[in-house]
Amino acid sequence: NAGVTQTPKFRILKIGQSMTLQCTQDMNHNYMYWYRQDPGMGLKLIYYSVGAGITDKGEVPNGYNVSRSTTEDFPLRLELAAPSQTSVYFCASTPLQTDTQYFGPGTRLTVL
Amino acid sequence: AQSVAQPEDQVNVAEGNPLTVKCTYSVSGNPYLFWYVQYPNRGLQFLLKYITGDNLVKGSYGFEAEFNKSQTSFHLKKPSALVSDSALYFCAVRDGYNFNKFYFGSGTKLNVKP
Repeated sequence: NAGVTQTPKFRILKIGQSMTLQCTQDMNHNYMYWYRQDPGMGLKLIYYSVGAGITDKGEVPNGYNVSRSTTEDFPLRLELAAPSQTSVYFCASTPLQTDTQYFGPGTRLTVL
Repeated sequence: AQSVAQPEDQVNVAEGNPLTVKCTYSVSGNPYLFWYVQYPNRGLQFLLKYITGDNLVKGSYGFEAEFNKSQTSFHLKKPSALVSDSALYFCAVRDGYNFNKFYFGSGTKLNVKP
């Protein structure tokens, strides 16, 4: 199993550009999450999904969109990139709500 | 509101000495608590969790954590630190109302010196 994979590893965007951060898991987990990690801060939940076709907002959803058309994939979309979205983004999955989360390696995004 | 606090940005300990990384939480309902470790340029890795039962939870790599309900704490411990334990440690708690949400502390950097 590859676990949770994220692409790209690094990206630099200009203000106003858009992009999609990809996340794929091969563990058949129902629950998937997107977090952002700012320097010196803990992880903040952006969006989560409890299964294909079902998504909901986390703590900091503004400026982002998600979709979940399959169990495996949970892409995160930035429509109009802003400097405040400079961060490291982590995708995670878990088979159960109470279970441990498996994290991807992260995407480091810089918006200039 | 649900929250997690890690009062120490950094903990320094000599190899072979015991270590403690502190975590306090605020959550409605029964707390579901987790510790994760992050090595440089990597995603978080699970160490241990408390859901119910024994207050002393044992986890990966010789780590353990003590749940204290009266003090709302969940401190991470290890009897004898290794240099390879140097990393960033995060405490997390599950939301007491929305079980799909998790809150993470700001992280504690553990430095173990030879």
